[in-house]
Amino acid sequence: EIVLTQSPGTLSLSPGERATLSCRASQSVSSNYLTWYQQKPGQAPRLLIYGASSRATGIPDRFSGTGSGTDFSLTISRLEPEDFAVYYCQQYGSSSSWTFGQGTKVEVK
Amino acid sequence: EVQLVESGGGLVQPGGSLRLSCAASGFTFSGHWMHWVRQVPGKGLVWVSKIESDGSITTYADSVKGRFTISRDNAKNTLCLQMNSLRAEDTAVYYCVRDSQYCYGGVCSSAFDVWGQGTMVTVSS
Repeated sequence: EIVLTQSPGTLSLSPGERATLSCRASQSVSSNYLTWYQQKPGQAPRLLIYGASSRATGIPDRFSGTGSGTDFSLTISRLEPEDFAVYYCQQYGSSSSWTFGQGTKVEVK
Repeated sequence: EVQLVESGGGLVQPGGSLRLSCAASGFTFSGHWMHWVRQVPGKGLVWVSKIESDGSITTYADSVKGRFTISRDNAKNTLCLQMNSLRAEDTAVYYCVRDSQYCYGGVCSSAFDVWGQGTMVTVSS
């Protein structure tokens, strides 16, 4: 089973700053199936990025995803107040199962 | 409006059973794979089970295999999760999730693009 490790666990930043979140896989992952979600307290997750780098419908262009193989990242170019949340990466593997990273919390510094 | 609405959660004793339902609306339900994902409050997301569009193929996480059964009724736009032999570690919010394919230039991706609000399952004596 592929394990996804997200870092850092918590990122403390101020509005307007740049956030870079990392997602590392224990073995190579198809970029087509690397996805990022955002979750705010008391809410269901929301799709942000699919296929490692494509923004979902309605997602602002300050969100961007990159990476391939085992190393992927999500960047928020300038944090808005509504961006403070927990972010999860996810992959779909050949064993027809899905795994999530443990999450990165982006909090107000 | 595209919507998924879960129901059926509640308190159940260890060893008991519970059946979750998810009512889908606003999209062609029969055209999508569907999943259940769970989350212990304050913890991360864990994939539980998948069912393909016509219900012919199902997949489960090892932690629930043999105890949980996913099913769907495309005529009624409903997804279900039958949970038997429940354990304390099954306590979580259970989300019904739509899986969509995104294809461009012959390359396809998929992602969980619509989530229900979740239903809480508590396994405790």
